[in-house]
Amino acid sequence: KQEVTQIPAALSVPEGENLVLNCSFTDSAIYNLQWFRQDPGKGLTSLLLIQSSQREQTSGRLNASLDKSSGRSTLYIAASQPGDSATYLCAARIQGGKLIFGQGTELSVKP
Amino acid sequence: SQTIHQWPATLVQPVGSPLSLECTVEGTSNPNLYWYRQAAGRGLQLLFYSVGIGQISSEVPQNLSASRPQDRQFILSSKKLLLSDSGFYLCAWIRINGYNEQFFGPGTRLTVL
Repeated sequence: KQEVTQIPAALSVPEGENLVLNCSFTDSAIYNLQWFRQDPGKGLTSLLLIQSSQREQTSGRLNASLDKSSGRSTLYIAASQPGDSATYLCAARIQGGKLIFGQGTELSVKP
Repeated sequence: SQTIHQWPATLVQPVGSPLSLECTVEGTSNPNLYWYRQAAGRGLQLLFYSVGIGQISSEVPQNLSASRPQDRQFILSSKKLLLSDSGFYLCAWIRINGYNEQFFGPGTRLTVL
């Protein structure tokens, strides 16, 4: 059974810092891994999707990496801003098309 | 471009009352559609998914049901709500283009009192 874990559960950083959010999964047989952002009371916004054959994807200040052999993905945020404050969730797509979500990391960027 | 709508945005219902949440997708045809629930302090739980009209797969046995009467419409229902049904309900669809990227609607906040 695939399990997805995100560490830490919460993170507070000063504005301008570079930071890394971690996501681990127990079964390396995934089709892709997707990172989402969720603002309080809102739906999920897709940030990056990495196919199982890819190592990383970049969008602006965000860079996501994938290492299937070690069951890990990271989301790197460069030069963090207060507007980056949100909960970040990773999800692994498994056989049958289901997405298995982590519990999320709540990020707070202090001005 | 594709857009996903959910309504209502918020709902407060008494225990034992019925429920109907609606999700519609614009700008695509024959999408795979999903209902998730996000309880306070917990992750997302997949409730139902549908690959076509009238085709519903249930992930978790519970008090809820789903229907897909039209290609781009997905409905979540209950005949009698329980306190434990409170949560944030999210509808999602997948862009089947080789990437299988999932997109979510704005959600419905349900409080059962």
